[in-house]
Amino acid sequence: QVQLQESGPGLVKPSGTLSLTCAVSGGSISSSNWWSWVRQPPGKGLEWIGEIYHSGSTNYKPSFKSRATITVDKSRNEFSLNLNYVTAADTAVYYCARGDTPMPMVWFFGLWGRGTLVTVSS
Amino acid sequence: SSELTQDPAVSVALGQTVRITCQGDNLRNYYASWYQQKPGQAPVLVNYGENNRPSGIPDRFSGSRSGDTASLTITGAQAEDEADYYCNSRDNSGYLNWMFGGGTRLTVL
Repeated sequence: QVQLQESGPGLVKPSGTLSLTCAVSGGSISSSNWWSWVRQPPGKGLEWIGEIYHSGSTNYKPSFKSRATITVDKSRNEFSLNLNYVTAADTAVYYCARGDTPMPMVWFFGLWGRGTLVTVSS
Repeated sequence: SSELTQDPAVSVALGQTVRITCQGDNLRNYYASWYQQKPGQAPVLVNYGENNRPSGIPDRFSGSRSGDTASLTITGAQAEDEADYYCNSRDNSGYLNWMFGGGTRLTVL
């Protein structure tokens, strides 16, 4: 079955760039899905960052639009997140997730990665 | 901007029924989806659309919608249902953003 796996550095320095990759296995990233990044600061709720379609089209939460870039690599069947100018407030578990929409007005995240903790600290 | 509002905490006696709600204007146009998250684990989808459960989710989890409020009902709550529950849907603004509720911590007594 389809699986998602996040990877990337677990520690990033303040003002640096957080870079994560989500590998899609058991299926194609070129399916009719949007691929998202969601984060969860320690002890807090879930926050959507942005998403990408295999065509390269993207949507971002407005508060991340100036700092986040999501890209797709169809040849490697993966998508990535870059988040610039990080601060301690960006410390969180970062999840990649697949967006599904089997019918109009019905959207959900049907598949999640296990998540990876990224700590922003000097 | 749109948002989804959930009660921070709810409790239920073992075997009883509990309803977790999620309120937001965009729920008039988009169905909510619901996720269960246990400590140290990724969220798991438990209900979506007009009351649909993914394979493997017990039928004690049901979803509904009335106006701008979506509900997740657990009928006969079990100890293993103790978790955080999040609702989620698309934004109504036309920008196709996603939104999450703040989460509800369910305690099974």
